[in-house]
Amino acid sequence: HSALTQPASVSGSPGQSITMSCTGTSSDVGSYNYVSWYQQHPGKVPKLIISSVTNRPSGVSNRFSGSKSGNTASLTISGLQADDEAFYYCASYTTNSTLLFGGGTKLTVL
Amino acid sequence: EVQLVQSGAEVKKPGESLKISCSVSGYRFTTYWIGWVRQLPGDRLEWMGIIYPDDSNTKYSQSFKGQVTISADRSNNTASLQWSSLKASDTAIYYCARLVLGRYYFDYWGQGTLVTVSS
Repeated sequence: HSALTQPASVSGSPGQSITMSCTGTSSDVGSYNYVSWYQQHPGKVPKLIISSVTNRPSGVSNRFSGSKSGNTASLTISGLQADDEAFYYCASYTTNSTLLFGGGTKLTVL
Repeated sequence: EVQLVQSGAEVKKPGESLKISCSVSGYRFTTYWIGWVRQLPGDRLEWMGIIYPDDSNTKYSQSFKGQVTISADRSNNTASLQWSSLKASDTAIYYCARLVLGRYYFDYWGQGTLVTVSS
């Protein structure tokens, strides 16, 4: 298992919606609904924003939503705000009973 | 309130040993896995391994197996990550985080420990 594949960067204007992908294989993303997403602002601790593909923890804005199709999971952020500018990492449980992170996507709010 | 508090930043020389810690509070230590995540400077998150403090059952990423040791001390609710011989390439921020069993996500994170290895 190498890292899950995420686009290096995505961008959008305030108020717009963006979607970023997280592509794995049938040995990880495709096998389980155990994909999670983390937001990390520069110099800060990662924060869980989506668990089990679609679940939003208490306190996380409903502007964040997750989905999955086959070996690819996606994170959608609607109504982009300046504070959404950060790095986003996906992670998945694997058939080796390990966890695998993606390479991360830098979101720029224009 | 769930808290994971990590030990402070370390500066070490190549070849030295090191043990960093993660002290947890606010929940029963033995009922959740604790994981360790590495973040190289300016780079992505990497899952290193996890430990179940109740029985010290441990799972390592293949990339880190044999390179580090993860342990837990139930007497003081502390998980640890240790190296026997550091390399410059171990320079990174190390996070501990609580893993929700059966759902496999990290819901609470420590503040991170910066380890710098330099001669």
